[in-house]
Order: sequence, then structure tokens, then C-alpha cells
Amino acid sequence: DAGVIQSPRHEVTEMGQEVTLRCKPISGHDYLFWYRQTMMRGLELLIYFNNNVPIDDSGMPEDRFSAKMPNASFSTLKIQPSEPRDSAVYFCASRETGGGQPQHFGDGTRLSIL
Amino acid sequence: SQQGEEDPQALSIQEGENATMNCSYKTSINNLQWYRQNSGRGLVHLILIRSNEREKHSGRLRVTLDTSKKSSSLLITASRAADTASYFCATDENAGNMLTFGGGTRLMVKP
Repeated sequence: DAGVIQSPRHEVTEMGQEVTLRCKPISGHDYLFWYRQTMMRGLELLIYFNNNVPIDDSGMPEDRFSAKMPNASFSTLKIQPSEPRDSAVYFCASRETGGGQPQHFGDGTRLSIL
Repeated sequence: SQQGEEDPQALSIQEGENATMNCSYKTSINNLQWYRQNSGRGLVHLILIRSNEREKHSGRLRVTLDTSKKSSSLLITASRAADTASYFCATDENAGNMLTFGGGTRLMVKP
């Protein structure tokens, strides 16, 4: 089975540009999570969805960040406008319903804002 | 904010030695999970221990949980160079919906 698929793997862009990160969760998983990982702050949960509905977006740092899940097999995380401090590795993870189910992570998008 | 804090932050050992990593957390939990992250890759789930369990084994991994001290440890026995990675604990506080990850332990196993 394919795991969680993220694209692009790497993104380099100039500040002020719009950035869109994409995620395809594992089929049948109804929870989807977006994380950001930096050396300074570690792994931070940004937002998570259940059955395509955003449940908790308290980790989204600013209004410049938005996330959508139009269907069970696709989610996007958008940053507009991007800033150098947004540079990080962004991970998407999915899991099945049920207490204690493990999260399955994609290999992340390494984002560099110049 | 991070719920779990790993100790040590970095650990370097020789192949064949055992590696022990510790995790402390702050609030009551339903379960605690350990994940591994190889360089440039996503996190991979290793093992879960529930709040009513004290010890769990999986292959060369042994996890303990002490809820009175709000701490857990991960032991990797007979380490291999391929075990070189970062290891994270994660706590599950809200019926399993969210995980809060610690800062991780960077393990280097020298051949």
C-alpha cells in the first residue's frame, strides 16, 4: 500500500509568493494532520481534520496560513504571502479512527523562503 | 508547547551497546507512543504503551511507563548502525485525536 504522499518534496521561493503544499493520505484513514518541524520549535501540530472537516486549527500560526480538505484523498496547506520565518519542513500524517491508532507520516516538504 | 521532553537530547554509542532514551510529560495521558525519524524522512511509529501498562516489548525495543512519575523510557538493545535516527515520544491526551511530540533524542550508533 502507498503511504502518505506529499508534494512537492522541496520548494524554494521568494518571500511574498503563495506556497501550496499537497498531501494524499492513506486510503481509509479519516484523520489528517499537518505539522511543521523546525530546529528551534520541534514538531508542531498546525491543524487536523476528521472526515474532511477541520477540527482544531489552533496551531495555525497566522491568517497567512490556511488548510483545506476538499475530499478524503486530498488536502492542501497554503501560505499567502510567505515569509522567511515560514521556512521549515512541513509534514502531513493520517490515521484510522480509534484510540491509540498510530499516525502515518509522509516524507515532508522542505520549504525555503528567501 | 511540547508535552513530552526527551532526555538526553543526543546520544552516541557503539554498535552492539544498548541505548536508553527517556521521556517526561506533564498531564494525564491515555497512551504514549514512540516514533523514529531518519534523516530527511517522516516519522515512523515504533510502539505504543497504554496508561494501564507498565512495560511493553517489540523485537529489540522495550518501553516502560511510570504514570506516577509521568515518565517513559525506550530501550534499544544490541544497537545497530541502522538504528541511527531521532526518536520522539508522543502523548495522546484527548481520546487519541491529537498527539503532542517531544523534542526528540538524536541517536548515533557507530559501527
